[in-house]
Amino acid sequence: AQSVTQLGSHVSVSEGALVLLRCNYSSSVPPYLFWYVQYPNQGLQLLLKYTSAATLVKGINGFEAEFKKSETSFHLTKPSAHMSDAAEYFCAVSEDTGNQFYFGTGTSLTVIP
Amino acid sequence: ETGVTQTPRHLVMGMTNKKSLKCEQHLGHNAMYWYKQSAKKPLELMFVYSLEERVENNSVPSRFSPECPNSSHLFLHLHTLQPEDSALYLCASSQRQGGYEQYFGPGTRLTVT
Repeated sequence: AQSVTQLGSHVSVSEGALVLLRCNYSSSVPPYLFWYVQYPNQGLQLLLKYTSAATLVKGINGFEAEFKKSETSFHLTKPSAHMSDAAEYFCAVSEDTGNQFYFGTGTSLTVIP
Repeated sequence: ETGVTQTPRHLVMGMTNKKSLKCEQHLGHNAMYWYKQSAKKPLELMFVYSLEERVENNSVPSRFSPECPNSSHLFLHLHTLQPEDSALYLCASSQRQGGYEQYFGPGTRLTVT
């Protein structure tokens, strides 16, 4: 079975600073990888998705993620944090077949003015 | 309405009540999901429906009973719940099972008293 590890349950950055949220997965085959964002009292919103077309994936709100097979990582970055980026971020992995969608435990991002 | 909608958004029920959560997707998807999100715990997949057929039931107690009358609607019937069932219940849909991004509704915040 797949698993997803998000290092750091809480990350704080200053407004305008680089955002880096880490995600590692376990998989013996190339997976589908996703990042979601959840604002308070809302559902999860898809930020971006990796499907093997390109290793660097650009998403909404200025976020991007890079797939590194050698490191089994899919870290999320944004060059300059904005106050509105404060939210919970979830990494997820899915297999090509079957129904399973594995979520990480989430990283809460705080942006300090 | 667009995307995935859920009603009600908030629900308070006693342990002896019977209530239902409703989910509707307007995306033309063929797979629908119920998740439970509790504080400080990973997202838990409860049920998966594909083309109106239940294909996954992750050892969920029988006090939770799903129903999928058609590919656009999903219900979660609740009866004799426990306080530990208090959580945010999220509905999601995807084009098909496996490898496809899931789109989430805003969730129902359930409190069992």
